[in-house]
Amino acid sequence: DVKVTQSSRYLVKRTGEKVFLECVQDMDHENMFWYRQDPGLGLRLIYFSYDVKMKEKGDIPEGYSVSREKKERFSLILESASTNQTSMYLCASSPTGRFPDTQYFGPGTRLTVL
Amino acid sequence: QKEVEQNSGPLSVPEGAIASLNCTYSDRGSQSFFWYRQYSGKSPELIMFIYSNGDKEDGRFTAQLNKASQYVSLLIRDSQPSDSATYLCAVNKYNQGGKLIFGQGTELSVKP
Repeated sequence: DVKVTQSSRYLVKRTGEKVFLECVQDMDHENMFWYRQDPGLGLRLIYFSYDVKMKEKGDIPEGYSVSREKKERFSLILESASTNQTSMYLCASSPTGRFPDTQYFGPGTRLTVL
Repeated sequence: QKEVEQNSGPLSVPEGAIASLNCTYSDRGSQSFFWYRQYSGKSPELIMFIYSNGDKEDGRFTAQLNKASQYVSLLIRDSQPSDSATYLCAVNKYNQGGKLIFGQGTELSVKP
């Protein structure tokens, strides 16, 4: 079974803090993704990565950065947290060239910025 | 026009009935189609995938794909209260590797 883990289920931070969210997958997947999910807005892609040290912007990258130094790990960084970044953050991974070529999600991190 | 569209619901069906969830997509080059189930406060979990036109059955679930009409659906037979969740349709983005486009989701409520 694919396992995607995220560093925290719940996180509370203060405005202006630097926040790190970590995601680890154990299936040797090439692709990794960070989403945020808010009521009424669905899943929105923040950043994704096709390979180590590669990153591409998704639909809402502003205020976020990412790091992928190892294949199994993909980190999301909020450089200076703001209240409008309070959300559920979901990490996912998927394989390249193998089927099903779908995304498998971690349990999510519910981040509250005060 | 959204790239992937679903009725937001809520869709309410009685226990034991068939629930029908629909999804349309705009990218004719899409090759892979997925249905996820998401319980409140939880992350999405994959329940079905389909690549070819026609029907694909897995237990109480049937996925249907019609590429000519750019339409994919999910039927849930003998619906149970535990099926109450939001169902997300996802379609791969042609020639962009693993990137998926998600619909907004349809909320399903199965009444005992």
